Amino acid sequence: QSVLTQPPSTSGTPGQRVTISCSGSNSNIGGNYVYWYQQLPGAAPKLLIYRNSQRPSGVPDRFSGSKSATSASLAISGLRSEDEADYYCAAWDDSLNDEVFGGGTKLTVL
Amino acid sequence: EVQLLQSGGDLVQPGGSLRLSCAVSGFTFSSYAMSWVRQAPGKGLEWVTSISGSGGTTYYADSVKGRFTISRDNSKNTVFLQMNSLRAEDTAVYYCAKVESSSAWDGADYWGQGTQVTVSS
Repeated sequence: QSVLTQPPSTSGTPGQRVTISCSGSNSNIGGNYVYWYQQLPGAAPKLLIYRNSQRPSGVPDRFSGSKSATSASLAISGLRSEDEADYYCAAWDDSLNDEVFGGGTKLTVL
Repeated sequence: EVQLLQSGGDLVQPGGSLRLSCAVSGFTFSSYAMSWVRQAPGKGLEWVTSISGSGGTTYYADSVKGRFTISRDNSKNTVFLQMNSLRAEDTAVYYCAKVESSSAWDGADYWGQGTQVTVSS
């Protein structure tokens, strides 16, 4: 059972917009930055969004992040086949003194 | 260009020890915290431990506390993970990751290639 809650899976068709939710609590998302990672099959994770909504250089602006209270969301617009991957949210938890991850969401592009 | 090159993964018997290394380049190593994150077969990401840029502050997941030790050598741009009393449930791909600030509680912006640790008799 992960501290941060994500839907196990989601899907969309090319060109569509999908969102992935990440639910936490005041001790993690509510008081700290949220990070989003993309993990392609067989590869190491890659940073997609940092500090709730910032995009590293090289990440397309089709990817966007937001945070409200104890929840965060990752939105992917103009869905492409190469976006098919696992997506993880993460945040520091002040009560546990741990970095906590969501269980991951598998995105399928139909 | 930021690079993290991991080494040290292996097959080890339960109760055994292993040391993972992560040599980095492309940034001022001592200015950034570092973390280790693992991924068991078919499972999600699990944070293991983090160390501040100076090495003076460390944090551990409860699942490894007292058995694993993170350390860093800022003169050699390398972070280590010493794993003792290994258990079958420690079997995973272990990733070294650069934290995006000097604070251990921020997230990672670069990841190593991963190294397989298998604990089995």
